[in-house]
Formats: sequence, structure tokens, C-alpha cells
Amino acid sequence: EAGVAQSPRYKIIEKRQSVAFWCNPISGHATLYWYQQILGQGPKLLIQFQNNGVVDDSQLPKDRFSAERLKGVDSTLKIQPAKLEDSAVYLCASSVSGQGAYEQYFGPGTRLTVT
Amino acid sequence: AQKVTQAQTEISVVEKEDVTLDCVYETRDTTYYLFWYKQPPSGELVFLIRRNSFDEQNEISGRYSWNFQKSTSSFNFTITASQVVDSAVYFCALSEGGGSYIPTFGRGTSLIVHP
Repeated sequence: EAGVAQSPRYKIIEKRQSVAFWCNPISGHATLYWYQQILGQGPKLLIQFQNNGVVDDSQLPKDRFSAERLKGVDSTLKIQPAKLEDSAVYLCASSVSGQGAYEQYFGPGTRLTVT
Repeated sequence: AQKVTQAQTEISVVEKEDVTLDCVYETRDTTYYLFWYKQPPSGELVFLIRRNSFDEQNEISGRYSWNFQKSTSSFNFTITASQVVDSAVYFCALSEGGGSYIPTFGRGTSLIVHP
């Protein structure tokens, strides 16, 4: 069974530029998560989707971050414009239906550096 | 307010020693789920265990064991006879939210096992 795919793996941009990350979850997984993991910290949930609907986006900085999940499968996370403090690893995860009650399967992450 | 506390930032042991990683959580929900994940140096988080709030039975899986105590709001993880391959950052997570089950991760404990 294929795991969670993410691209790109690494990205370096200058502040005020925009960037987009892509995630393809495990086939059949209804719940998809985007996390931000700053070095030395635990993953911080940015947004949680159930199929193509948003369950929680309370920690998503909506003035600069946006996310969508097309047709309840793939998802993109965008940052526009980026700030220095956005430098982090962005993790995508998925789980079977039941939302956050079930174990999550994580992708390899995208390491973003904002200069 | 922090909902998952992993007070140990880093633990260093010598191979074959037993080690316990602490996790203390707080929640007002009666139904919730607790998890442990491992993040090896490669970076991809790996699921280890899931527990629901109604099941306080301890669990053992090979060299790994988990002690869930609702009375002290703790879900501790013990590795018996540690090995170098156990070196990683370990995260405890809580999913709560009255049906939505929004996950929250602790800051993680870095375990270093020396040969």
C-alpha cells in the first residue's frame, strides 16, 4: 500500500514570496491533516479535513495561509506572502474515517526555508 | 493551555537500559484518544499505539509497553532493553473534541541510546 506522498521535499524562498505544497493521502483515507513542525517542537495542527470539508482550521493563519482538498483526495497548502517565521517542516497526514480518533499516517514532509 | 505535556526534553541512556518516557494530558472530555508516535532521524512520524479513554489496560508489544492511568492523566511509555535503533524523538498526542477529535501533540522527548 502506497504511503502519504508530499511534494516538494525541500523549498527555499524569499520572504513575501508565495509557495504551495501538495499532498496525496493514502487511498481511501477520509481525514487529511496539515501540520507545521518548527525545529525542536511537536507538530502543530493547521487544518483538518474530513473528505473535502474543513473540520478544524482554528490555528491556520488565514491572512496568509490557505488550504483546499479537491474532491476529497489530494490537498494543497499555500502560503502567500511568506514570512521568516514560516520556516518549518510542513507535514501532511491521513487517517481512515473517524477523524482524529484514529492513528495518522504521515508523509515525509516539506522543509521550507524562508530567507 | 498546553494539553499534552512531555516534561522530559531529552533522555540519554546506554544500550540495554530500560527507559520511561512520560506523558501527562489534560482534557474535559470523557471520550478521547491517546497516541504515541516515533520520529526517527529520517523525519517521518510513525504511529506506535492508540488508546481510548475507556480502556485503561496496559499494553505490551515486544520491548515496548504503555501505562495508561486516568487518575493521574498520564500515558507513559517504557522501552525495555533499549537499542541504538530506538534513538528518535517520541511524541505523545491527544485527540479530543466532542466528536471531531482534534489532535494535539506534545513537544516530544528526544531519546538517545548510546552503544
